[in-house]
Amino acid sequence: GAVVSQHPSRVICKSGTSVKIECRSLDFQATTMFWYRQFPKKSLMLMATSNEGSKATYEQGVEKDKFLINHASLTLSTLTVTSAHPEDSSFYICSARESTGANEKLFFGSGTQLSVL
Amino acid sequence: RKEVEQDPGPFNVPEGATVAFNCTYSNSASQSFFWYRQDCRKEPKLLMSVYSSGNEDGRFTAQLNRASQYISLLIRDSKLSDSATYLCVVNLNTGGFKTIFGAGTRLFVKA
Repeated sequence: GAVVSQHPSRVICKSGTSVKIECRSLDFQATTMFWYRQFPKKSLMLMATSNEGSKATYEQGVEKDKFLINHASLTLSTLTVTSAHPEDSSFYICSARESTGANEKLFFGSGTQLSVL
Repeated sequence: RKEVEQDPGPFNVPEGATVAFNCTYSNSASQSFFWYRQDCRKEPKLLMSVYSSGNEDGRFTAQLNRASQYISLLIRDSKLSDSATYLCVVNLNTGGFKTIFGAGTRLFVKA
């Protein structure tokens, strides 16, 4: 099946620094990727939709300048958490959409646990 | 009303039990439906797609009722390894592709 690679799997950083998370589709081209965050024992919350070659679409309440998304190629999207604060600590997951004819499936990266000190 | 609602759980069942999860969705324009499984601090993994005709994969059976906007997942002969959170997932395409996740139902299978 399709594979999505997410890196790093875990990052610990100081408050005020920026952290970049990469999401790659390894064996298919993904014009659309998605970024989520998840708090403990809570559901996935869609943050933004990353569109190759155009600006990302952010969900209501998600700060564009705080969470920078770049989707420069058909296989790579990046999420940069700028000036991270402890409240940004969370589990971040990306997914990529594979479209094969009438079928659309989502494949997820393995997630990034961000801890901001 | 949430776009996708699931039984909150948790479900605590003994090994070998049959357990059923329910899910309802509010947008009649929903196009495709899935059950995902998520283990703690791991990414969700596709368990199965859900079709109106119903589909079965081993001990797992999924069913979709479009008229009632209802999705179900049945697990027979529960195993300890089935313990996880099960996410009901709905895809919409209303001028743009969107995936909506249910909050998940936690399952604990005990020996």
